[in-house]
Amino acid sequence: EPEVTQTPSHQVTQMGQEVILRCVPISNHLYFYWYRQILGQKVEFLVSFYNNEISEKSEIFDDQFSVERPDGSNFTLKIRSTKLEDSAMYFCASSRDWSSYNEQFFGPGTRLTVL
Amino acid sequence: AQRVTQPEKLLSVFKGAPVELKCNYSYSGSPELFWYVQYSRQRLQLLLRHISRESIKGFTADLNKGETSFHLKKPFAQEEDSAMYYCALGQTSGSRLTFGEGTQLTVNP
Repeated sequence: EPEVTQTPSHQVTQMGQEVILRCVPISNHLYFYWYRQILGQKVEFLVSFYNNEISEKSEIFDDQFSVERPDGSNFTLKIRSTKLEDSAMYFCASSRDWSSYNEQFFGPGTRLTVL
Repeated sequence: AQRVTQPEKLLSVFKGAPVELKCNYSYSGSPELFWYVQYSRQRLQLLLRHISRESIKGFTADLNKGETSFHLKKPFAQEEDSAMYYCALGQTSGSRLTFGEGTQLTVNP
């Protein structure tokens, strides 16, 4: 059964550094998402992406964040200058359709630690 | 703004006992509710959605618009049901999911 994959599983970085988190969505899916979960807190929506542009973003997704689909398979989340509070688990998800009736399939997550 | 509340962070029951995981929501539109589950060291996966009105792994959930609730129920809990359960709200026009805080269910032998 196809799955969403994410790399790396764990990323440690210094405050102020740039990080890129990578995701490979399910191949016939058209809609892609990033969520994050700070330890002990809720899973929070960051951004959704379709047809090479952002469809929706939350208030968390400020100018330090960007997303890109650099080729036909990868979907990346870049954090330009990491802060301590960016430490969290980052989940990528994909779905076939726009409607939230359609299941969002989640990756295993990347744990980002900012020191 | 939409909001999902799961009042119990931890819930512990014995095998064979009924279990109910509570979820309340607030949303001005017509809600789309889901339950996601995360087993130990596994990814988040959809358990069920209100629109399907189905039973998955013995679990059911009924949307109660009057009480703005979407509680998850199972009449006889099994040890393999031990997991983190998240209630999530989808928007009528848009794709974001708003998650509750999650309830860690432990089913004891």
